Amino acid sequence: GAVVSQHPSWVICKSGTSVKIECRSLDFQATTMFWYRQFPKQSLMLMATSNEGSKATYEQGVEKDKFLINHASLTLSTLTVTSAHPEDSSFYICSQNEQFFGPGTRLTVL
Amino acid sequence: GESVGLHLPTLSVQEGDNSIINCAYSNSASDYFIWYKQESGKGPQFIIDIRSNMDKRQGQRVTVLLNKTVKHLSLQIAATQPGDSAVYFCAERYMNRDDKIIFGKGTRLHILP
Repeated sequence: GAVVSQHPSWVICKSGTSVKIECRSLDFQATTMFWYRQFPKQSLMLMATSNEGSKATYEQGVEKDKFLINHASLTLSTLTVTSAHPEDSSFYICSQNEQFFGPGTRLTVL
Repeated sequence: GESVGLHLPTLSVQEGDNSIINCAYSNSASDYFIWYKQESGKGPQFIIDIRSNMDKRQGQRVTVLLNKTVKHLSLQIAATQPGDSAVYFCAERYMNRDDKIIFGKGTRLHILP
């Protein structure tokens, strides 16, 4: 069975709104989790590393004020895309470690 | 044959034949490498990994080869089946980047009937 879940699996929102994506580790207490973004026909790009109880570490070029990450417990990390715009439309994927990835969340911003 | 599409190269293989997917990695300091399979609309699925102190590792129907001299990684799939159709990504772990997993460009494997 799945060890990492994401919710929602897809979301459509209007430009300017904020969207929260949840990533849950189902059978493992994860002190770190990883967030990736994938545009169509492209590879996964690491956005940030979520750290339980402390600030996330963002990759170069990723706006921390736009992509808010919260890792409040050992089983839940959330990514909030604030003031979403059409260019933020993408497939967002979290992972617990190198072995287990979530099923992804398809975000479409109109 | 192999062709380069808009973003992802595609490898077309006859069902039952062996598939070889290649990958060039960038960081000579990387110590760990992974192959993933990603089906449409899903997250990546771990297939097989290899550490830098090895040059070959075998799994069920899959073999990974590592050539550190030329920074090249390959995935061999034996007796390719329709269910193997997917995009395959190699990934490397950067020792000097907090052990983050960085993905390569990906190759689409297309199975011919």
